[in-house]
Amino acid sequence: DIQMTQSPSTLSASVGDRVTITCRASQSISSWLAWYQQKPGKAPKLLIYKASSLESGVPSRFSGSGSGTEFTLTISSLQPDDSATYYCQQYNSYWTFGQGTKVEIK
Amino acid sequence: EVQLLESGGGLVQPGGSLRLSCAASGFTFSSYAMSWVRQAPGKGLEWVSTISGDGGSTYYADSVKGRFTISRDNSKNTLFLQMNSLRAEDTAIYYCAKQVVVAGAYYFDYWGQGTLVTVSS
Repeated sequence: DIQMTQSPSTLSASVGDRVTITCRASQSISSWLAWYQQKPGKAPKLLIYKASSLESGVPSRFSGSGSGTEFTLTISSLQPDDSATYYCQQYNSYWTFGQGTKVEIK
Repeated sequence: EVQLLESGGGLVQPGGSLRLSCAASGFTFSSYAMSWVRQAPGKGLEWVSTISGDGGSTYYADSVKGRFTISRDNSKNTLFLQMNSLRAEDTAIYYCAKQVVVAGAYYFDYWGQGTLVTVSS
Protein backbone atom coordinates (compact mmCIF):
# COMPACT_ATOMS: atom_id res chain seq x y z
CA ASP A 1 0.00 0.00 0.00
CA ILE A 2 1.13 3.54 -0.76
CA GLN A 3 1.34 5.78 2.32
CA MET A 4 0.97 9.56 2.09
CA THR A 5 2.54 11.85 4.69
CA GLN A 6 1.72 15.56 4.93
CA SER A 7 3.58 18.29 6.78
CA PRO A 8 2.96 20.30 8.76
CA SER A 9 -0.16 18.98 10.52
CA THR A 10 -1.20 22.52 11.42
CA LEU A 11 -0.03 25.91 10.31
CA SER A 12 -1.00 29.42 11.28
CA ALA A 13 -0.37 32.31 8.90
CA SER A 14 -1.53 35.84 8.25
CA VAL A 15 -3.67 37.12 5.41
CA GLY A 16 -1.41 37.77 2.42
CA ASP A 17 1.25 35.23 3.44
CA ARG A 18 2.61 32.60 1.08
CA VAL A 19 1.78 29.15 2.45
CA THR A 20 3.30 25.81 1.43
CA ILE A 21 2.13 22.32 2.37
CA THR A 22 4.25 19.27 1.62
CA CYS A 23 3.08 15.77 0.79
CA ARG A 24 5.36 12.74 0.49
CA ALA A 25 4.50 9.36 -0.98
CA SER A 26 6.04 6.11 0.27
CA GLN A 27 6.84 5.17 -3.34
CA SER A 28 6.78 6.90 -6.69
CA ILE A 29 3.31 7.90 -7.87
CA SER A 30 4.44 9.80 -10.99
CA SER A 31 2.12 12.84 -11.10
CA TRP A 32 -1.01 11.03 -9.93
CA LEU A 33 -1.72 13.35 -7.03
CA ALA A 34 -4.71 15.49 -6.12
CA TRP A 35 -5.28 18.14 -3.47
CA TYR A 36 -8.59 18.75 -1.70
CA GLN A 37 -9.85 21.48 0.59
CA GLN A 38 -12.32 20.65 3.35
CA LYS A 39 -14.09 23.15 5.56
CA PRO A 40 -15.79 22.09 8.83
CA GLY A 41 -19.02 20.22 8.25
CA LYS A 42 -18.55 20.26 4.47
CA ALA A 43 -17.52 17.80 1.80
CA PRO A 44 -14.00 17.92 0.35
CA LYS A 45 -13.54 20.10 -2.71
CA LEU A 46 -11.08 19.31 -5.50
CA LEU A 47 -8.40 21.97 -5.97
CA ILE A 48 -5.58 20.37 -7.97
CA TYR A 49 -5.26 17.16 -10.01
CA LYS A 50 -2.32 15.53 -11.78
CA ALA A 51 -0.04 17.28 -9.28
CA SER A 52 -0.22 20.72 -10.89
CA SER A 53 -3.45 21.09 -12.88
CA LEU A 54 -5.86 23.63 -11.40
CA GLU A 55 -9.48 22.48 -11.27
CA SER A 56 -11.91 24.78 -13.07
CA GLY A 57 -13.22 27.55 -10.84
CA VAL A 58 -10.44 27.31 -8.26
CA PRO A 59 -8.66 30.62 -7.57
CA SER A 60 -5.27 31.00 -9.23
CA ARG A 61 -3.58 31.66 -5.87
CA PHE A 62 -3.61 27.88 -5.44
CA SER A 63 -0.89 25.93 -7.23
CA GLY A 64 0.64 22.48 -7.05
CA SER A 65 4.00 21.06 -8.01
CA GLY A 66 6.11 17.93 -7.75
CA SER A 67 6.40 14.43 -9.14
CA GLY A 68 7.60 11.05 -8.00
CA THR A 69 7.42 11.12 -4.21
CA GLU A 70 7.47 14.80 -3.22
CA PHE A 71 4.70 17.30 -3.83
CA THR A 72 3.70 20.75 -2.64
CA LEU A 73 0.53 22.80 -2.49
CA THR A 74 1.14 26.55 -2.41
CA ILE A 75 -1.28 29.33 -1.61
CA SER A 76 0.42 32.45 -2.98
CA SER A 77 -1.49 35.00 -0.90
CA LEU A 78 -3.53 33.53 1.94
CA GLN A 79 -7.14 34.76 2.18
CA PRO A 80 -9.60 34.44 5.09
CA ASP A 81 -11.70 32.01 3.04
CA ASP A 82 -8.72 29.65 2.82
CA SER A 83 -9.07 28.60 6.46
CA ALA A 84 -9.63 24.83 6.06
CA THR A 85 -8.01 21.43 6.18
CA TYR A 86 -6.10 20.36 3.07
CA TYR A 87 -5.59 16.75 2.00
CA CYS A 88 -3.32 15.26 -0.62
CA GLN A 89 -4.39 12.03 -2.30
CA GLN A 90 -2.53 9.58 -4.52
CA TYR A 91 -4.38 7.79 -7.30
CA ASN A 92 -1.52 5.82 -8.81
CA SER A 93 -2.59 2.61 -7.06
CA TYR A 94 -6.07 2.65 -5.59
CA TRP A 95 -6.60 5.79 -3.50
CA THR A 96 -4.84 6.96 -0.34
CA PHE A 97 -5.07 10.29 1.48
CA GLY A 98 -2.59 12.16 3.59
CA GLN A 99 -3.56 12.86 7.20
CA GLY A 100 -4.44 16.49 6.45
CA THR A 101 -3.01 19.93 7.15
CA LYS A 102 -5.15 22.42 9.04
CA VAL A 103 -4.56 26.01 7.92
CA GLU A 104 -5.52 28.70 10.39
CA ILE A 105 -5.58 32.46 9.90
CA LYS A 106 -3.70 34.50 12.53
CA GLU B 1 -24.84 20.94 -12.04
CA VAL B 2 -23.54 17.74 -10.49
CA GLN B 3 -25.44 16.73 -7.37
CA LEU B 4 -24.82 13.74 -5.11
CA LEU B 5 -27.22 13.13 -2.23
CA GLU B 6 -26.47 10.40 0.28
CA SER B 7 -29.03 8.78 2.57
CA GLY B 8 -29.47 5.74 4.78
CA GLY B 9 -27.13 6.56 7.64
CA GLY B 10 -28.08 6.15 11.26
CA LEU B 11 -27.39 4.36 14.53
CA VAL B 12 -26.79 0.61 14.34
CA GLN B 13 -25.57 -1.94 16.86
CA PRO B 14 -22.25 -3.76 16.42
CA GLY B 15 -22.74 -6.72 14.12
CA GLY B 16 -25.68 -5.05 12.42
CA SER B 17 -26.28 -3.99 8.82
CA LEU B 18 -27.06 -0.78 7.00
CA ARG B 19 -27.56 0.16 3.35
CA LEU B 20 -26.46 3.56 2.11
CA SER B 21 -27.74 5.19 -1.07
CA CYS B 22 -26.43 8.04 -3.19
CA ALA B 23 -28.76 9.70 -5.70
CA ALA B 24 -26.87 11.32 -8.56
CA SER B 25 -27.93 14.00 -11.01
CA GLY B 26 -26.43 16.51 -13.42
CA PHE B 27 -24.23 14.06 -15.35
CA THR B 28 -24.48 10.81 -17.31
CA PHE B 29 -24.28 8.49 -14.31
CA SER B 30 -23.51 5.28 -16.18
CA SER B 31 -20.41 6.83 -17.78
CA TYR B 32 -18.54 7.34 -14.53
CA ALA B 33 -16.96 5.23 -11.84
CA MET B 34 -18.28 6.04 -8.38
CA SER B 35 -16.82 5.57 -4.93
CA TRP B 36 -17.50 5.71 -1.22
CA VAL B 37 -15.04 7.54 1.05
CA ARG B 38 -15.45 7.79 4.81
CA GLN B 39 -14.27 10.09 7.57
CA ALA B 40 -14.30 9.05 11.21
CA PRO B 41 -15.20 11.85 13.65
CA GLY B 42 -12.32 14.33 13.81
CA LYS B 43 -10.15 12.17 11.55
CA GLY B 44 -8.93 12.12 7.97
CA LEU B 45 -10.36 10.65 4.78
CA GLU B 46 -10.32 6.93 4.00
CA TRP B 47 -11.24 5.40 0.63
CA VAL B 48 -13.75 2.55 1.10
CA SER B 49 -14.88 1.20 -2.27
CA THR B 50 -15.17 1.93 -6.00
CA ILE B 51 -17.39 0.60 -8.78
CA SER B 52 -16.94 1.02 -12.52
CA GLY B 53 -19.51 2.80 -14.64
CA ASP B 54 -21.10 -0.41 -15.91
CA GLY B 55 -20.92 -2.04 -12.48
CA GLY B 56 -18.72 -4.84 -13.76
CA SER B 57 -15.68 -4.04 -11.64
CA THR B 58 -15.55 -3.37 -7.92
CA TYR B 59 -12.72 -2.55 -5.53
CA TYR B 60 -12.55 -2.50 -1.74
CA ALA B 61 -10.23 -1.31 1.00
CA ASP B 62 -8.85 -4.17 3.08
CA SER B 63 -10.64 -2.76 6.14
CA VAL B 64 -14.08 -3.49 4.63
CA LYS B 65 -13.43 -6.38 2.23
CA GLY B 66 -15.85 -9.23 2.80
CA ARG B 67 -18.22 -7.06 4.86
CA PHE B 68 -19.25 -4.24 2.50
CA THR B 69 -20.70 -4.51 -1.00
CA ILE B 70 -20.85 -1.65 -3.49
CA SER B 71 -23.44 -1.69 -6.28
CA ARG B 72 -25.26 0.69 -8.59
CA ASP B 73 -28.55 0.99 -10.48
CA ASN B 74 -27.82 2.97 -13.62
CA SER B 75 -31.53 3.07 -14.54
CA LYS B 76 -32.16 5.03 -11.32
CA ASN B 77 -28.86 6.96 -11.17
CA THR B 78 -28.21 5.56 -7.72
CA LEU B 79 -25.15 4.19 -5.96
CA PHE B 80 -25.38 1.83 -2.97
CA LEU B 81 -23.21 0.55 -0.17
CA GLN B 82 -24.43 -2.52 1.72
CA MET B 83 -22.61 -2.66 5.05
CA ASN B 84 -22.74 -5.89 7.09
CA SER B 85 -21.03 -7.04 10.29
CA LEU B 86 -20.57 -3.44 11.33
CA ARG B 87 -17.95 -2.55 13.92
CA ALA B 88 -17.41 0.47 16.14
CA GLU B 89 -14.49 1.50 13.92
CA ASP B 90 -16.88 1.83 10.96
CA THR B 91 -18.42 4.89 12.65
CA ALA B 92 -17.91 7.75 10.19
CA ILE B 93 -19.44 10.14 7.74
CA TYR B 94 -19.76 8.27 4.45
CA TYR B 95 -19.36 10.35 1.30
CA CYS B 96 -20.19 9.26 -2.20
CA ALA B 97 -17.84 10.66 -4.80
CA LYS B 98 -17.86 10.81 -8.58
CA GLN B 99 -14.65 9.83 -10.31
CA VAL B 100 -13.18 11.26 -13.47
CA VAL B 101 -10.44 9.72 -15.59
CA VAL B 102 -7.55 11.67 -17.05
CA ALA B 103 -4.83 9.82 -18.96
CA GLY B 104 -6.05 6.52 -17.57
CA ALA B 105 -5.97 7.54 -13.89
CA TYR B 106 -9.05 8.10 -11.75
CA TYR B 107 -9.55 10.78 -9.11
CA PHE B 108 -12.57 12.26 -7.31
CA ASP B 109 -14.01 15.45 -8.76
CA TYR B 110 -17.35 15.80 -6.97
CA TRP B 111 -18.46 14.75 -3.50
CA GLY B 112 -21.82 14.53 -1.78
CA GLN B 113 -22.48 16.07 1.63
CA GLY B 114 -22.22 12.74 3.43
CA THR B 115 -24.36 10.58 5.70
CA LEU B 116 -23.38 9.70 9.27
CA VAL B 117 -23.14 6.07 10.34
CA THR B 118 -22.79 5.41 14.06
CA VAL B 119 -22.06 1.88 15.27
CA SER B 120 -22.73 1.63 18.97
CA SER B 121 -24.64 -0.46 21.50
